[in-house]
Amino acid sequence: EAGVAQSPRYKIIEKRQSVAFWCNPISGHATLYWYQQILGQGPKLLIQFQNNGVVDDSQLPKDRFSAERLKGVDSTLKIQPAKLEDSAVYLCASSFLLGAYEQYFGPGTRLTVT
Amino acid sequence: KQEVTQIPAALSVPEGENLVLNCSFTDSAIYNLQWFRQDPGKGLTSLLLIQSSQREQTSGRLNASLDKSSGRSTLYIAASQPGDSATYLCAASGSARQLTFGSGTQLTVLP
Repeated sequence: EAGVAQSPRYKIIEKRQSVAFWCNPISGHATLYWYQQILGQGPKLLIQFQNNGVVDDSQLPKDRFSAERLKGVDSTLKIQPAKLEDSAVYLCASSFLLGAYEQYFGPGTRLTVT
Repeated sequence: KQEVTQIPAALSVPEGENLVLNCSFTDSAIYNLQWFRQDPGKGLTSLLLIQSSQREQTSGRLNASLDKSSGRSTLYIAASQPGDSATYLCAASGSARQLTFGSGTQLTVLP
């Protein structure tokens, strides 16, 4: 079974530039999550989708971050414009359904904002 | 708001030792608790998931316990090996089903 795929793996941009990350979840998984992991900390949930609908985006900085999951499969997370404090690893995860089901994580995208 | 704490932040042990990693959470109304392993530069690998109605889960040399009343979970690793070196994260799933993570314990097993 293929795992969660993410691209790119690494990205370096200057502050105020834009960047986009892509995630392809495990086939058949209805729920998709985007997390931000700052060095030395645990992942923090940014947004959660159930199929193509948003379940929770309360911790997403909506003035600069946006995410979509068209057709309920792949998802894209965008940052525009980026700030220095956005430097982190962005992890995508998926699960079969909400709640009791394990979350499976992709390898992440390491973003450096200079 | 759920808060998850993991102590110690780092642990170094000689190969072959049995060890326990600790996780505490502030809101006992959890839905489940999950332990993950994270290797440098990689994503998270799920190790064990304990439902709120369960007391423990076992997989190979790993055993995780859950005590909701005290707000604690432990991950027991038997006969540690250098390949177990990684950061171990616990995460609590609350009533809203989102995972709240601890900051992790960085484990080094010395040959």
